Amino acid sequence: GAVVSQHPSWVICKSGTSVKIECRSLDFQATTMFWYRQFPKQSLMLMATSNEGSKATYEQGVEKDKFLINHASLTLSTLTVTSAHPEDSSFYICSLQGQLAKNIQYFGAGTRLSVL
Amino acid sequence: GESVGLHLPTLSVQEGDNSIINCAYSNSASDYFIWYKQESGKGPQFIIDIRSNMDKRQGQRVTVLLNKTVKHLSLQIAATQPGDSAVYFCAENGLTSNTGKLIFGQGTTLQVKP
Repeated sequence: GAVVSQHPSWVICKSGTSVKIECRSLDFQATTMFWYRQFPKQSLMLMATSNEGSKATYEQGVEKDKFLINHASLTLSTLTVTSAHPEDSSFYICSLQGQLAKNIQYFGAGTRLSVL
Repeated sequence: GESVGLHLPTLSVQEGDNSIINCAYSNSASDYFIWYKQESGKGPQFIIDIRSNMDKRQGQRVTVLLNKTVKHLSLQIAATQPGDSAVYFCAENGLTSNTGKLIFGQGTTLQVKP
């Protein structure tokens, strides 16, 4: 498997502020990471694919200017929720593609974002 | 379009019994499937996977069955334990097998009664 560290696990912020979530690969260099959003009692919705050294690929309907993704190194990808609003409150989860088994994704523990 | 769905939203079983969680997929081009377990407030955890050239694969206390004819996937958990209580998702690679993307089903909540 792979060890994925996601930080913070929980964040509360005021409406209009920006929040940065970090996703780290601890045991190998991950060229591809994925960011998901999950609302209560719902499935995971892919937001974007993060590729090291290049721009992220966003899924249809996801605002790239609102959800900024930076994959500056092979072990770190960040998701910044800019000008957060209450409707952005959700559970954000990152994953990375397996080093050998590239079809398998290994997930972080998730970040619970609450926007007041 | 592509979709992966689950037949039942909630499954309640007695501790010690076997559990069967079902999943239907619509994309006949999918050639890879994964089952994930997600406990409350945590990220999904890989359980078992199967390729389309297989009908069955076994792990520790878990078995995945794939029926390509009817596009159906199931996860069997033997001797279900309280620690198995979680939401279970099936996922497929769909038409995007070269990107690493996965399409997730809606999830089934497994409740284990002591």
